[in-house]
Formats: sequence, C-alpha cells, structure tokens
Amino acid sequence: QQQVKQSPQSLIVQKGGISIINCAYENTAFDYFPWYQQFPGKGPALLIAIRPDVSEKKEGRFTISFNKSAKQFSLHIMDSQPGDSATYFCAASSAGTGKLIFGQGTTLQVKP
Amino acid sequence: DGGITQSPKYLFRKEGQNVTLSCEQNLNHDAMYWYRQDPGQGLRLIYYSQIVNDFQKGDIAEGYSVSREKKESFPLTVTSAQKNPTAFYLCASSITSGNTGELFFGEGSRLTVL
Repeated sequence: QQQVKQSPQSLIVQKGGISIINCAYENTAFDYFPWYQQFPGKGPALLIAIRPDVSEKKEGRFTISFNKSAKQFSLHIMDSQPGDSATYFCAASSAGTGKLIFGQGTTLQVKP
Repeated sequence: DGGITQSPKYLFRKEGQNVTLSCEQNLNHDAMYWYRQDPGQGLRLIYYSQIVNDFQKGDIAEGYSVSREKKESFPLTVTSAQKNPTAFYLCASSITSGNTGELFFGEGSRLTVL
C-alpha cells in the first residue's frame, strides 16, 4: 500500500513532442505528490509538485495532472527539448510521516 | 553556497569491510535522509532523522547504520552485513520532517564492492 508505481520505465520522444509519464498509488493518506528530475551523476532536484485539492498544476512546459478518484497522477512535458533528457521520479508522502515514497523512475531521451 | 555535500563521490570496498559515507548540509535543515538508488528500483529510504540525536529506520535499513550527533551531519555506515552494497547512495535534507515540501539532494556517492 506504500508503493508508487511509475510507467513507462523509458521513453523516447522527438524534439518538440509531448512527454507523458504516469504514476499510480494505493495509499489514500498520501497528500503530497512531487516530481523530481535527475541528470546523470547528479542528485534529483524538485521539478514540480501538487496537492490533491487541485486537479492540475502548470509551471512553464511542465504540467502535473492529478486524478484523485483513480489515484493516479502524471507529468506532461510540452515541447520537449534535448535538455529535458533525464530520469524523472514521481513520489508521494502523507502528512507528518517524514517519508517520501518514490516511483521506479523513467528515463527520458529527447531526440533532436 | 548552501547545499549538501557528500563524500567521497566514488568508493571501492572489499567484501567484509565497513565503509562510512559522509553527508554535510549547511542549509540549517532539521531533517536528513539517506536513500539508495538502483537501476529500475527508484530511490529507497534507508534511514532518516528528524532531529539531532534521533533517527528512524526506513524501508531497507538492514546492514546500515547512522548517527546524528550534529544538525549538519548525517553519516551512513555500510556494514559487512549488507549483502548487496554496490549502489548509488543519496543524502537529502528538508526544512522539517513533515511533507511540507522539497527534499534537497547531494550529488551522491557511488559505492562498488570488489
């Protein structure tokens, strides 16, 4: 029940295309859903996050869509660029636990 | 600059040896974490600490130990009891231990057991 399942494991997109990464969770107590971006040899960095009181959050080319009833959330990268090539992790946590549960990660390659 | 410093970046160890990975932060964060990253498995929590002199086991604590004697330091010891220690280890911190927001990660330490 603590798992966060992420798909696909890898993704190849042409420059200018839309990249979509999906995550699903079981624990209804989760109330914070961030996405992290990791470049090779570096630590992950927060990209964008959402709480379940909204269904969508957009920051520049990055959008999180959240479906509370389906217990799913996704990351959309519009106009994907080669510089977006990285590994993306979804995550979830619940208030006061101090624990962020990560998905398995998606390696995105954007071809020029 | 504020941030998290992990050392060493690369470490090789012989089977049966304990090794200690260093993690220092100057962000004045209360909470610190250790994660292990393996291909296809995401980031798995080893230990976390919400306050000095206190820490809790994460999901994969067996074969690891930590200490939190100072707010800015949270070293991880990989003991010989850890059966498969070759991995990328990430240290992180956050302002508080609740899910109020962002984890700040270091650049990681890659441990290889020979």
